[in-house]
Amino acid sequence: KNEVEQSPQNLTAQEGEFITINCSYSVGISALHWLQQHPGGGIVSLFMLSSGKKKHGRLIATINIQEKHSSLHITASHPRDSAVYICAASRLLGADGLTFGKGTHLIIQP
Amino acid sequence: DGGITQSPKYLFRKEGQNVTLSCEQNLNHDAMYWYRQDPGQGLRLIYYSQIVNDFQKGDIAEGYSVSREKKESFPLTVTSAQKNPTAFYLCASGRSQPQHFGDGTRLSIL
Repeated sequence: KNEVEQSPQNLTAQEGEFITINCSYSVGISALHWLQQHPGGGIVSLFMLSSGKKKHGRLIATINIQEKHSSLHITASHPRDSAVYICAASRLLGADGLTFGKGTHLIIQP
Repeated sequence: DGGITQSPKYLFRKEGQNVTLSCEQNLNHDAMYWYRQDPGQGLRLIYYSQIVNDFQKGDIAEGYSVSREKKESFPLTVTSAQKNPTAFYLCASGRSQPQHFGDGTRLSIL
């Protein structure tokens, strides 16, 4: 079983819809990251959170430490939001970086 | 602007050849990382370095080598011992965890 699991793997929605991507993890973490990867391959860090909720524009990330679960929400989705969204965990023990989920491939149709 | 520069964007290798992927950062980050991404899989850690002149193997280090002679640079060599080198390679840097990512290098075997 992967230490970081994302769902769904693929998601196609219509422009304007509210999008939710889920992430569950099984290890102790110091922080949870949400990343965005565009078709060219480059990755952008969207959020790093260790508790509660963060908001940036139309993007909202939440985390429940007790349930070991995080969600990424996109409000009023737009075709330019189409990308792969990756959840990654900073493990409590070890200095070897992040453990990544497999990503959620999101397509927003106009 | 500060960031991470990976070059080249696309790289082709003949079987039996070593190739070196470049990663340079001007963010003054101590830690640098190399990840490999294969279709349908999460990013996997190849090597990481927390400080100049020191580096550690990640989960899939076999067939790869690195050096960290300068803080700004963390080149990755894909040796002929790597039996399946075709993949997308991402470099990252951070103070102690990955925070910034490069645009990646796509390596293919001719």
